[in-house]
Amino acid sequence: DAGVTQSPTHLIKTRGQQVTLRCSPKSGHDTVSWYQQALGQGPQFIFQYYEEEERQRGNFPDRFSGHQFPNYSSELNVNALLLGDSALYLCASSSNRDSTNEKLFFGSGTQLSVL
Amino acid sequence: SQQGEEDPQALSIQEGENATMNCSYKTSINNLQWYRQNSGRGLVHLILIRSNEREKHSGRLRVTLDTSKKSSSLLITASRAADTASYFCATVNTGFQKLVFGTGTRLLVSP
Repeated sequence: DAGVTQSPTHLIKTRGQQVTLRCSPKSGHDTVSWYQQALGQGPQFIFQYYEEEERQRGNFPDRFSGHQFPNYSSELNVNALLLGDSALYLCASSSNRDSTNEKLFFGSGTQLSVL
Repeated sequence: SQQGEEDPQALSIQEGENATMNCSYKTSINNLQWYRQNSGRGLVHLILIRSNEREKHSGRLRVTLDTSKKSSSLLITASRAADTASYFCATVNTGFQKLVFGTGTRLLVSP
């Protein structure tokens, strides 16, 4: 049973470019959340997707957008990259069908460096 | 923005000693969870405590929750070098379903 998988593991971009990060949730999970973690900080909530729609959003600009596909996998897109977007991007999955299962399963993350 | 703050920011102990980390949060919560992160990679869920619970155990872990003080503590007993990691508390606020993480405690356990 595969856990949460993220790709790529590392990415280097320059300012102004656009990036797409990908996530496949744990088998049986239908909800995907994205987090940004700057060095030495805790993860910050970007948004959450369920049934192919953005259900909740954190305090991030519109440059950050996402998508969820019918197979529950998800993408995070960031446009017009800034130096401050350099961070570890974490995807987490959970099951909306099991109300008692509130814990998140995390992928290993994508380390994005913006030069 | 971070919901909670962990204290201390860093903790260094010897193997066999106990490690205690504290977490404070700001708003009413549905539950509070603790996660562990090795070397800045993915987080692993350790334990969840609900707002109507005061204490919970899982193996060498003991978590307490004081909703009147909006605080929680994580105790790791008989620590091992493999416990070296960053530990984060995270809260699920009443009415919301997202996890909001604290700032983390970096634990170093020396052999």
